Amino acid sequence: KQEVTQIPAALSVPEGENLVLNCSFTDSAIYNLQWFRQDPGKGLTSLLLIQSSQREQTSGRLNASLDKSSGRSTLYIAASQPGDSATYLCAVNPYGGSQGNLIFGKGTKLSVKP
Amino acid sequence: EAGVAQSPRYKIIEKRQSVAFWCNPISGHATLYWYQQILGQGPKLLIQFQNNGVVDDSQLPKDRFSAERLKGVDSTLKIQPAKLEDSAVYLCASSLRPQRSYNSPLHFGNGTRLTVT
Repeated sequence: KQEVTQIPAALSVPEGENLVLNCSFTDSAIYNLQWFRQDPGKGLTSLLLIQSSQREQTSGRLNASLDKSSGRSTLYIAASQPGDSATYLCAVNPYGGSQGNLIFGKGTKLSVKP
Repeated sequence: EAGVAQSPRYKIIEKRQSVAFWCNPISGHATLYWYQQILGQGPKLLIQFQNNGVVDDSQLPKDRFSAERLKGVDSTLKIQPAKLEDSAVYLCASSLRPQRSYNSPLHFGNGTRLTVT
């Protein structure tokens, strides 16, 4: 059974710092991995989607990497800003499940202090 | 483009009552998903539609939950009767094409927060 773990559960950093959020999954048989952002009381916003054949994706100050063989992904945020404060979730789309059966981690709650 | 619309934003009901949630996906998105997110957890898929057909409802508690997608556009999710453990945020998402086949990102609505007392 696929399980997704995110460490740390919460992180507080001063503005301007570069930071890394971690995601690990137990079964490397995945189609893709997606990183989301969730603001309080809001839905999820898709940040980056990495196909299983890819190693990384970049969007602005965000860079996500995928090492399928070791079951790990990282989300790198450069020059963090208070507006980056949110909960970040990663989700994998595993073999054997249906198309939309993403398996989510519990998220990392990020707080960026001015 | 307009995002995924959901209503109501909040709903408080007593156990054994019924409730319905509505979702309007992004225009042109053929695939629609309903997820349940319990506080402190990641979302869990309840049901997936492709156009107006059900693709996967294996995790939908069919004794109390039902869902339909009218004419392949709007969708409603109903709970009858509600239990205390149904308290959660119900998220609707859509994608242009099936997420896996085309690596098509999911776009989520703001959700409906349900409290069952």
